[in-house]
Amino acid sequence: AQSVTQLDSQVPVFEEAPVELRCNYSSSVSVYLFWYVQYPNQGLQLLLKYLSGSTLVKGINGFEAEFNKSQTSFHLRKPSVHISDTAEYFCAVSPIYNQGGKLIFGQGTELSVKP
Amino acid sequence: DSGVTQTPKHLITATGQRVTLRCSPRSGDLSVYWYQQSLDQGLQFLIQYYNGEERAKGNILERFSAQQFPDLHSELNLSSLELGDSALYFCASSGRGSYNEQFFGPGTRLTVL
Repeated sequence: AQSVTQLDSQVPVFEEAPVELRCNYSSSVSVYLFWYVQYPNQGLQLLLKYLSGSTLVKGINGFEAEFNKSQTSFHLRKPSVHISDTAEYFCAVSPIYNQGGKLIFGQGTELSVKP
Repeated sequence: DSGVTQTPKHLITATGQRVTLRCSPRSGDLSVYWYQQSLDQGLQFLIQYYNGEERAKGNILERFSAQQFPDLHSELNLSSLELGDSALYFCASSGRGSYNEQFFGPGTRLTVL
């Protein structure tokens, strides 16, 4: 079984400051890792994904994440946030053995960017 | 725009009733997934279909059922509705060899009164 823990439910930050949203996961099998963003009253949009290879992955909107296998973490970072980054962010895993399978999500982190 | 469409956008109904939510996947995608998003349970996987066949089941109640039709659209049927079924229901789709990358629709917000 897999589980995902997002360590912060809410992260307030000022505009142009750096931000890190933390994600730890637990799984007995190898997984793919994802970050999705949900803007108010919208569906989820993929920010970035880790499948294999380089542990630092870059996504859309200037976000990046680092996969750390030993710590089973996949933290999301952005060096300078904008007001428009205000949204809910979800970390998710999916078992590799079942390509095209279900996503297991964390509880979400609400990022609030203040002017 | 992800290319995944869901109808209706909002649905208000009463306890005990039955509703059907509809999803059209992105053109060419064979897999359809249903997820439920609620305040207390978060985002939970319900069920997956691949090219008309059920592929995986998650935390889907027996009162809920789904199917995928030959044109690949999918319907989620919710019956004997309870107040606790009020939630946002998302559909997602993915293609073959897409490494589990799923594209989400805008969701259907269900309110059970």
